[in-house]
Amino acid sequence: QKEVEQNSGPLSVPEGAIASLNCTYSDRGSQSFFWYRQYSGKSPELIMSIYSNGDKEDGRFTAQLNKASQYVSLLIRDSQPSDSATYLCAGHGSSNTGKLIFGQGTTLQVKP
Amino acid sequence: DAGITQSPRHKVTETGTPVTLRCHQTENHRYMYWYRQDPGHGLRLIHYSYGVKDTDKGEVSDGYSVSRSKTEDFLLTLESATSSQTSVYFCAISESGQLAPQHFGDGTRLSIL
Repeated sequence: QKEVEQNSGPLSVPEGAIASLNCTYSDRGSQSFFWYRQYSGKSPELIMSIYSNGDKEDGRFTAQLNKASQYVSLLIRDSQPSDSATYLCAGHGSSNTGKLIFGQGTTLQVKP
Repeated sequence: DAGITQSPRHKVTETGTPVTLRCHQTENHRYMYWYRQDPGHGLRLIHYSYGVKDTDKGEVSDGYSVSRSKTEDFLLTLESATSSQTSVYFCAISESGQLAPQHFGDGTRLSIL
């Protein structure tokens, strides 16, 4: 069973701090990874995509991928209370079915 | 925002009745997916489609069927609803299979009494 693992949290950080969210995956053939943000009662919203080893930055968000360690992370700089949500990590498996494998999600709480 | 519309947004029905949820997209994307999301289980794939009339099962397909007669519409049917199918259902679309992200609709909250 191909899996994506996340710590469910909650992860609590003070406003202005860096929040670090982590994800590991089991399928070595996975090539693409995504981070979704989901507010309570809402649908998942894509916030970052990453396809190659290294860092990808978009505003306050940085996604990091390390394929050798099978590890994906999301850093949120200058965390705001509005960042409080559940963050879902997802990856494509090595089979070309288009299916995404989702982690259980990490709940982030940013305290003012 | 991706042009995805789910209907209905909320539905309450009784055990044993048939239920159909509709997902409509205006993006002309080839791939469409149905998920359910329950506390403690995360997002679970029910069925997906990789083209008109081309569908396949996901990890929790028992009790559900799907149809896709047009690119823009993907229907999810519960032939005889059970209380265990009370959930939030999300439709998602993707431009291509490998490498592309999925974009989600607003969801349908289904309660089966």
